[in-house]
Amino acid sequence: AQSVAQPEDQVNVAEGNPLTVKCTYSVSGNPYLFWYVQYPNRGLQFLLKYITGDNLVKGSYGFEAEFNKSQTSFHLKKPSALVSDSALYFCAVRDISGNNRLAFGKGNQVVVIP
Amino acid sequence: GAGVSQSPSNKVTEKGKDVELRCDPISGHTALYWYRQRLGQGLEFLIYFQGNSAPDKSGLPSDRFSAERTGESVSTLTIQRTQQEDSAVYLCASSRRAGDGDEQFFGPGTRLTVL
Repeated sequence: AQSVAQPEDQVNVAEGNPLTVKCTYSVSGNPYLFWYVQYPNRGLQFLLKYITGDNLVKGSYGFEAEFNKSQTSFHLKKPSALVSDSALYFCAVRDISGNNRLAFGKGNQVVVIP
Repeated sequence: GAGVSQSPSNKVTEKGKDVELRCDPISGHTALYWYRQRLGQGLEFLIYFQGNSAPDKSGLPSDRFSAERTGESVSTLTIQRTQQEDSAVYLCASSRRAGDGDEQFFGPGTRLTVL
């Protein structure tokens, strides 16, 4: 079964500094990978996904993520963090040769310090 | 167009009562998913529907949980004889199809509190 690990509970970063949120995955076949963001008292919003093609994926709000097959990672990055980026970030994976469910990580709380 | 909507937004109930949660997916989305999010934890898959195919119920935690979907429209998640450990935010999502790489669009959730 597919699974996701988000090793850090909370990521603190100063406003204007680069932001990285780590994600590693496990699937038996090839993955579809997703990042979602959850703001307080709101549902999850889609940020970006990797399906195939270029390993560097660009998404909403200036975020990007790099698919690294050898390291089974899909880290989320933003070159310059904003205070408004403070939220809960979830990585998710689906095994394209398996069932249709997504496996979500436990989430990372990002705190951007002014 | 409208996004995924869920009702009620909040539900407080007493232990042992039944509750019904509703989800309206995005029009035209054939796949619909239910998740549970406990405080401080990630999303736990419960069930998904794909068109007229048999639903994947493998994530339902007990036989007290059930869900229905009418065609490719509204879905209801029912929890019978609620327990305190059922307290969580229940999230619904829909996507164009269950396969391929289509992203899921989430509703705002229903916060269930069992006293």
